[in-house]
Amino acid sequence: KAGVTQTPRYLIKTRGQQVTLSCSPISGHRSVSWYQQTPGQGLQFLFEYFSETQRNKGNFPGRFSGRQFSNSRSEMNVSTLELGDSALYLCASSPGLAGTYNEQFFGPGTRLTVL
Amino acid sequence: KQEVTQIPAALSVPEGENLVLNCSFTDSAIYNLQWFRQDPGKGLTSLLLIQSSQREQTSGRLNASLDKSSGRSTLYIAASQPGDSATYLCAVRTSSQAGTALIFGKGTTLSVSS
Repeated sequence: KAGVTQTPRYLIKTRGQQVTLSCSPISGHRSVSWYQQTPGQGLQFLFEYFSETQRNKGNFPGRFSGRQFSNSRSEMNVSTLELGDSALYLCASSPGLAGTYNEQFFGPGTRLTVL
Repeated sequence: KQEVTQIPAALSVPEGENLVLNCSFTDSAIYNLQWFRQDPGKGLTSLLLIQSSQREQTSGRLNASLDKSSGRSTLYIAASQPGDSATYLCAVRTSSQAGTALIFGKGTTLSVSS
């Protein structure tokens, strides 16, 4: 069974631009969560999608948004990029709503560099 | 607000040693706790998941324990090998805003020398 895939793996953008990252969950998984990882803040929860609906959101500004499609694939968008958005963005999937009992499986991440 | 702390931040051991990584959390109202491994520049690999009702989980040379009341978990690695070198992350699933979220510690970077 293929794991979680993320594209692209690396991105370089300039301040003010916008970017879209993509995540394909493990086949059969319906929940997708996004995380940002930086050296200073560590791993922080961005949001979670289940059945095309955002179910939970972390403490990030509205420039960070996402969506999920009917095939469970998810995209994350960051508008008006800032230098501080440079990070590794990780996507995780789980079989059902990432609630009380589900294990999460992570993809390899997208490394975003903002110049 | 849930906070997760991992001590030590870095650890160097010779091959063959048994070692313990520590994780503590401030709010005992968790649903589960998950240990991950992360190699440099890579994603996270799930090692063990312990539900709140469980005390420990084992997988091969790894054993994780959970003491919810004291807000602590330990990851025990037996007979360490150079291939175990990586950053180990602890995360607790806890209630947040409209649902639940995984709250991560900053990790322990392990180096095993041959």
